[in-house]
Amino acid sequence: KQEVTQIPAALSVPEGENLVLNCSFTDSAIYNLQWFRQDPGKGLTSLLLIQSSQREQTSGRLNASLDKSSGRSTLYIAASQPGDSATYLCAVSVSGSARQLTFGSGTQLTVLP
Amino acid sequence: GAGVSQSPRYKVAKRGQDVALRCDPISGHVSLFWYQQALGQGPEFLTYFQNEAQLDKSGLPSDRFFAERPEGSVSTLKIQRTQQEDSAVYLCASSLGGAITNYGYTFGSGTRLTVV
Repeated sequence: KQEVTQIPAALSVPEGENLVLNCSFTDSAIYNLQWFRQDPGKGLTSLLLIQSSQREQTSGRLNASLDKSSGRSTLYIAASQPGDSATYLCAVSVSGSARQLTFGSGTQLTVLP
Repeated sequence: GAGVSQSPRYKVAKRGQDVALRCDPISGHVSLFWYQQALGQGPEFLTYFQNEAQLDKSGLPSDRFFAERPEGSVSTLKIQRTQQEDSAVYLCASSLGGAITNYGYTFGSGTRLTVV
């Protein structure tokens, strides 16, 4: 059974700092990996999607990498801002499934002004 | 609509009561998913529809949980005889694609169910 782990569970940084969030998964037979953002009381917003054949994806200040063989992904946030404060969730889509996602428990990020 | 709409936003149910949660996906989206998110945890898959067909219900925790999407658009998740462990946020997501594709997901804001 696929398990997804995110470290750290919580992170607090001063504004302007670059930071890295980590995600690991136990079964490397994934179809793709996605990073989501969740604000309190809200649904999930998709940030980046990396196909299993890709190594990284970039969107603005965000860069996500994927190392399928080692079962790891990182989300890099450059020049963090208070508006980046949210919970960041990593999820993998397993090959052969009905596209269901297996999520980690998330990293709660607080960017201090 | 422009996004995935879920109702109600909040529901308080007495233990043993039946509840029905509604999801209005984005018009034309083929795939619809239900997820359950306990406090402090990531969402967990419940069930998946492709149009009106329920192709995967392996995540439903018990036979008290039932989902339907009779016309391939609006979906309802029903929980019978609610128990305290059913307290969670129930998220609905839809996607344009059908079977394995690379279309992204759009999530609704969820229904927070509290069983007292």
